[in-house]
Amino acid sequence: KNEVEQSPQNLTAQEGEFITINCSYSVGISALHWLQQHPGGGIVSLFMLSSGKKKHGRLIATINIQEKHSSLHITASHPRDSAVYICAVGSQGAQKLVFGQGTRLTINP
Amino acid sequence: NAGVMQNPRHLVRRRGQEARLRCSPMKGHSHVYWYRQLPEEGLKFMVYLQKENIIDESGMPKERFSAEFPKEGPSILRIQQVVRGDSAAYFCASSPSTGTGNTIYFGEGSWLTVV
Repeated sequence: KNEVEQSPQNLTAQEGEFITINCSYSVGISALHWLQQHPGGGIVSLFMLSSGKKKHGRLIATINIQEKHSSLHITASHPRDSAVYICAVGSQGAQKLVFGQGTRLTINP
Repeated sequence: NAGVMQNPRHLVRRRGQEARLRCSPMKGHSHVYWYRQLPEEGLKFMVYLQKENIIDESGMPKERFSAEFPKEGPSILRIQQVVRGDSAAYFCASSPSTGTGNTIYFGEGSWLTVV
């Protein structure tokens, strides 16, 4: 079993839909990261969480430390949100992050 | 303020050649990390460096791979005698420190193709 599991692996939705991507982890962590990667592109850090909830524009990230679970939500989804979303956890600060396999999101117009 | 800069973006090498990938961290960042993304696989940690020191190289293959972060200049990931299995995207990231309050910034990646 991977230390970081994401679901779903693939998600296709229509423009405007509310999107939820889940991440469960099995190790103790100091922080959890949500990352975005476009095909053939670089990686952008969306959020770093150690507790609670963060919001940036149409993106919301939550974490439940007791349940070892985090969710990334996208409201009013848009085709430009199409990308791979990656959950990563760090147990000793930023080094040696452990990554989930990613969720490939496709938003159709 | 430029982000994490990696070059080259794309590199093609023949089997047996050497590949050198460079990473300039964000200004003010003294911690550099290298990660590898094999085709159709997730990202994996390779090595963590501070200026002139390798702090954790537990994710580096034991042979042919080395990394450095000199006092002056970029961090370099060096792969000697490349093989087809080394074809991957190599991402560099940096942070100002390893405290939990510091986020990590990734570069655009270097795509290595071994032919």
